[in-house]
Amino acid sequence: EVQLVESGGALVQPGGSLRLSCAASGFTFSTCWMSWVRQAPGKGLEWVANINTDGSQKYYVDSVKGRFTISRDNAKNSLFMEMNSLRAEDTAVYYCVRLGYRGYMGLWGRGTTATVSS
Amino acid sequence: DVVMTQTPLSLSVTPGQPASISCKSSQSLLHSDGKTFLYWYLQKPGQSPQLLIYEVSSRFSGVPDRFSGSGSGTDFTLTISRVEAEDVGVYYCMQGIHLPWTFGQGTNVEIK
Repeated sequence: EVQLVESGGALVQPGGSLRLSCAASGFTFSTCWMSWVRQAPGKGLEWVANINTDGSQKYYVDSVKGRFTISRDNAKNSLFMEMNSLRAEDTAVYYCVRLGYRGYMGLWGRGTTATVSS
Repeated sequence: DVVMTQTPLSLSVTPGQPASISCKSSQSLLHSDGKTFLYWYLQKPGQSPQLLIYEVSSRFSGVPDRFSGSGSGTDFTLTISRVEAEDVGVYYCMQGIHLPWTFGQGTNVEIK
């Protein structure tokens, strides 16, 4: 089955860290650009980061630059997001997304929730 | 950043009737290769978003043909020709040509 399964979300204090993971299956992960998109409680969608097929190109929204790092392990069909210096405004459901040709977000995971609160 | 502005923000539709959502971008979404990087997504209640339309008017695999997209440059429209009960949810437009990629605020569609 073609799917993306996120994990790693948790409750963390402001200033803390989290590492989100996304396990891909049912398709050739190593040939796909990937993204993280987040959704704060009751809010809309926000693109967070992209990574190319071999991890050599990474793009971030300004609000997470210097704090978040997107990475991937093609041998393990996995996508990651290392999140440091977390703030209350980072509280959200984080979706792992497969990008299709021309950049469309064609496959979404169910999401994992990161909550930043003291 | 490119601002994506959707109208209306809320829509109540009688089943079988048409519905349309407008999306305006603060910059042109036209690429030098002639393609326009405008997408439409639907987030049904309690679910992850799903892709409906890419490059303004191309329906994604499995999307019913009652959904159609149109527009160019900075003005775009999603049209549902005959709304069905399963179409409820929040619709988002998104641009994928200028970093950071940005979404519209979302349009909540409900059934009367």
